[in-house]
Amino acid sequence: DAGVIQSPRHEVTEMGQEVTLRCKPISGHDYLFWYRQTMMRGLELLIYFNNNVPIDDSGMPEDRFSAKMPNASFSTLKIQPSEPRDSAVYFCASRRRGPRQNTEAFFGQGTRLTVV
Amino acid sequence: RKEVEQDPGPFNVPEGATVAFNCTYSNSASQSFFWYRQDCRKEPKLLMSVYSSGNEDGRFTAQLNRASQYISLLIRDSKLSDSATYLCVVSWGKLQFGAGTQVVVTP
Repeated sequence: DAGVIQSPRHEVTEMGQEVTLRCKPISGHDYLFWYRQTMMRGLELLIYFNNNVPIDDSGMPEDRFSAKMPNASFSTLKIQPSEPRDSAVYFCASRRRGPRQNTEAFFGQGTRLTVV
Repeated sequence: RKEVEQDPGPFNVPEGATVAFNCTYSNSASQSFFWYRQDCRKEPKLLMSVYSSGNEDGRFTAQLNRASQYISLLIRDSKLSDSATYLCVVSWGKLQFGAGTQVVVTP
């Protein structure tokens, strides 16, 4: 299994531009999570999906952020317009449902976003 | 109050020594608990799950105290390669991460 695949690995963009981050979860996993990590705030959960349906998006910072999961094998996180304070590492993770939800989540290698 | 709280450290540990640290959580409905390890500029990776009765994996021991709502991790006979940030994870549907505890093992 290739694991969780994220693209791009690095992204440098100018303030005001649209940024799209992509994630392919592990086949058979029905939960998908988007996290953002910074030195100041640690690992923050932005949104998570179950069976392609957004369950909790309370961590999405503001309307500039949106996430979609059109099918079980693909998800996007979009920032429009981007701002310098969005600079962070964005991780995608997936897990399968297990008994009492005690299955681990597997992470992609992350997208390092720099907005200048 | 944060949903999952950890002492950020760093815990400076001589090689061969034992180190232990805790993580507290606020949601009493939490169902699953994990310790993840994160190396600098890498993604988090599962270290071990935490079971109600406590569990051990080699030099690592995890404990869960539901009454006081905390989990703990103990590392025995610390190795230089144990230097990392240890993330506490609590699940009640979503996976909520603590900010991590940094451990630095010194020669």
